[in-house]
Amino acid sequence: KNEVEQSPQNLTAQEGEFITINCSYSVGISALHWLQQHPGGGIVSLFMLSSGKKKHGRLIATINIQEKHSSLHITASHPRDSAVYICAVRGGAQKLVFGQGTRLTINP
Amino acid sequence: NAGVTQTPKFQVLKTGQSMTLQCAQDMNHNSMYWYRQDPGMGLRLIYYSASEGTTDKGEVPNGYNVSRLNKREFSLRLESAAPSQTSVYFCASSEAPVGSYEQYFGPGTRLTVT
Repeated sequence: KNEVEQSPQNLTAQEGEFITINCSYSVGISALHWLQQHPGGGIVSLFMLSSGKKKHGRLIATINIQEKHSSLHITASHPRDSAVYICAVRGGAQKLVFGQGTRLTINP
Repeated sequence: NAGVTQTPKFQVLKTGQSMTLQCAQDMNHNSMYWYRQDPGMGLRLIYYSASEGTTDKGEVPNGYNVSRLNKREFSLRLESAAPSQTSVYFCASSEAPVGSYEQYFGPGTRLTVT
């Protein structure tokens, strides 16, 4: 069983829909990261959180430490949100353990 | 600020050839990392440097060496390239040891070994 599992692996939606991507992990963590990988390949950090909820524009990340689960929500989705979204947790002093990513496609 | 830069962006090598991937950051970060990304595998840590003067193995270090040249630069060397090293390589940096600090990624190097 992978230490970090994301669902779904692929998600296609229509512009304007509310999007939820899930991340479950099996290791104890100090922080969880959400990353976005653009179709061109670049990776940017969206959120780092260890409790509660964070919001940035139309993106919201939540985490439930007791249930070892995090969600990334996108409100009013837009085709430019099409990307791969990656969850990662700290698995050791220097090591981030990454999920395999969720490929999101938003159709106009 | 340029953030994290990597060179080259693309490279094709023949089996047995050597090359060095260069990475530099201008954010005065202490920690730097090299990852590889393969289809269906997610990002995997090759080597990291917690601070200037130190380097440590990650999850998949075999076939690679690294040098933390100074606080800004962290290079990855393939001494004798193998087809299994065909991958996309990302350099990243963070203010301090990863986990509690945001990571910043370079644009990646797409390497093909034939």
